[in-house]
Amino acid sequence: SQQGEEDPQALSIQEGENATMNCSYKTSINNLQWYRQNSGRGLVHLILIRSNEREKHSGRLRVTLDTSKKSSSLLITASRAADTASYFCATDDYLSNTDKLIFGTGTRLQVFP
Amino acid sequence: DTAVSQTPKYLVTQMGNDKSIKCEQNLGHDTMYWYKQDSKKFLKIMFSYNNKELIINETVPNRFSPKSPDKAHLNLHINSLELGDSAVYFCASSLTQGNTEAFFGQGTRLTVV
Repeated sequence: SQQGEEDPQALSIQEGENATMNCSYKTSINNLQWYRQNSGRGLVHLILIRSNEREKHSGRLRVTLDTSKKSSSLLITASRAADTASYFCATDDYLSNTDKLIFGTGTRLQVFP
Repeated sequence: DTAVSQTPKYLVTQMGNDKSIKCEQNLGHDTMYWYKQDSKKFLKIMFSYNNKELIINETVPNRFSPKSPDKAHLNLHINSLELGDSAVYFCASSLTQGNTEAFFGQGTRLTVV
């Protein structure tokens, strides 16, 4: 299976704390994306990092990418209750050169007020 | 102003029935997708279309037939529904091939009884 893996599977923190989620993938990539899914809703794109980038920031989000280890991390700083959601990493399918996104298994984040 | 909309949101049907899910995007995107999310939140691509042309068919049973009447619409028809088809089906779109940031619909929760 090409599916990536994320850890932890679930994470519970208090508001104000930082949340770090990790993603590992299996094949070469052109880019890696992170998505958020609120319960019962569709996925929302958060950030895209290209294979030649090592770190990217967007507001309270910080994403790192280590292509040598085939891994990425998503850091959410100063978390809020509204950040409660599932977070997925997704990679493009470099081998098939299509637009297929290969999703990780997701991390369920719970932020307590 | 919903960007990617799919109907219905919920669908409960008996085994053996045939059903359709409709998807429309008003973003002017060229590429549209169907993804399936199972009970463990695992997301996997089923199909992608670019300008009404089938690009990806990810070894989906031929009971599933996508149809794209124009580049703003991608419908999914499912024949002879089985219990294992129960899942949440997401439609998504992206601007063009090679631009893989995807915009997702709210999902259709299909329950086969």
